[in-house]
Amino acid sequence: AQSVAQPEDQVNVAEGNPLTVKCTYSVSGNPYLFWYVQYPNRGLQFLLKYITGDNLVKGSYGFEAEFNKSQTSFHLKKPSALVSDSALYFCAVRGLNTGGFKTIFGAGTRLFVKA
Amino acid sequence: DTEVTQTPKHLVMGMTNKKSLKCEQHMGHRAMYWYKQKAKKPPELMFVYSYEKLSINESVPSRFSPECPNSSLLNLHLHALQPEDSALYLCASSQEPGAGGNTIYFGEGSWLTVV
Repeated sequence: AQSVAQPEDQVNVAEGNPLTVKCTYSVSGNPYLFWYVQYPNRGLQFLLKYITGDNLVKGSYGFEAEFNKSQTSFHLKKPSALVSDSALYFCAVRGLNTGGFKTIFGAGTRLFVKA
Repeated sequence: DTEVTQTPKHLVMGMTNKKSLKCEQHMGHRAMYWYKQKAKKPPELMFVYSYEKLSINESVPSRFSPECPNSSLLNLHLHALQPEDSALYLCASSQEPGAGGNTIYFGEGSWLTVV
């Protein structure tokens, strides 16, 4: 069975500063890792994913994530935060279960970017 | 374009009512999903359809009844719901059910309130 942990309920960062939202995972087999963002009263928007290859993955809106196999982590990063990045961020892992692939989401991390 | 369309956006129903949530995608995706999301919580998988057949049912109560009439449409029929079923219901789709690395794309959700 797979699982994913987001150890921080909330991350606060000043606009213009770099941001990191942490994620660790547990999965048997190859990990398929995703980041999604959710703005208030909206659905989830896909940001980026890791399947294989380069450990540094670049995604939408200037976000990137680094896959670290030894630490089983997939932290989301952005070099310079914007106020508009304030939202709820979900890390997700996809693994093979009875019946097919299932995507399991972390608890979410709320990002506040202060002007 | 990646678009999953859900209707209605908001639904208020009594505990004795019968209603349906509808979802449509025209991306040629062959896997479709229903998730339930409570406020500030991660989405919880309810059902997965793979090539129009139900492949995963996460022990969802029978008052929720999914239906996949064709490869583009997914319905969730609701009957005799409880107030605790009030939540955001998210529909999603992905390209190939058997590929773990495929991205799941979400709709904007249907807000359900049971009174």
